[in-house]
Amino acid sequence: KNEVEQSPQNLTAQEGEFITINCSYSVGISALHWLQQHPGGGIVSLFMLSSGKKKHGRLIATINIQEKHSSLHITASHPRDSAVYICAVLSNFGNEKLTFGTGTRLTIIP
Amino acid sequence: KAGVTQTPRYLIKTRGQQVTLSCSPISGHRSVSWYQQTPGQGLQFLFEYFSETQRNKGNFPGRFSGRQFSNSRSEMNVSTLELGDSALYLCASSSGTGRVRAGELFFGEGSRLTVL
Repeated sequence: KNEVEQSPQNLTAQEGEFITINCSYSVGISALHWLQQHPGGGIVSLFMLSSGKKKHGRLIATINIQEKHSSLHITASHPRDSAVYICAVLSNFGNEKLTFGTGTRLTIIP
Repeated sequence: KAGVTQTPRYLIKTRGQQVTLSCSPISGHRSVSWYQQTPGQGLQFLFEYFSETQRNKGNFPGRFSGRQFSNSRSEMNVSTLELGDSALYLCASSSGTGRVRAGELFFGEGSRLTVL
């Protein structure tokens, strides 16, 4: 079992829909990152969370440390939101390394 | 403020050769980390440097090495290239101190390596 599991793997939605991407992890963490990767490779950091909830524009990220789960929400989705969204966790023991989920490919249709 | 700069952006090598990739972090950032991205394995952590010291290393063979200079620029080297080393190599810088990767990450555009 991977340390970081994302769901769904692929998501297609109509413009304007509310989007939820989930991330579950199995290790103790000190932080969780949500990243966005557009075709061509460039990665942008969206959020870094260690507790609670953060909001930036139409994006909201939440984390429940007890349940080892985080969600990324996109409100009023737009075709420019089409990208791969990646969850990554920073473990809080031993070799503190960043472990990545396999990503969720989001396509927003106009 | 300039972002993270990686060079070269694209390169083609043959098996057995070696390659050196460069990463210039955002000015003032002292932490640089490297990642490999392949279609099969996704993103994987290679190593991290802070103030010229390697702080953490991922599960990669010794053919993969790196270093960081006093100006925080970092290089990674892959020796005796194998076909499976074909990948996008990304670096990220962070302003975090102490638990350095507890800071927000800023990624470069990556160096796409093809091994023939």
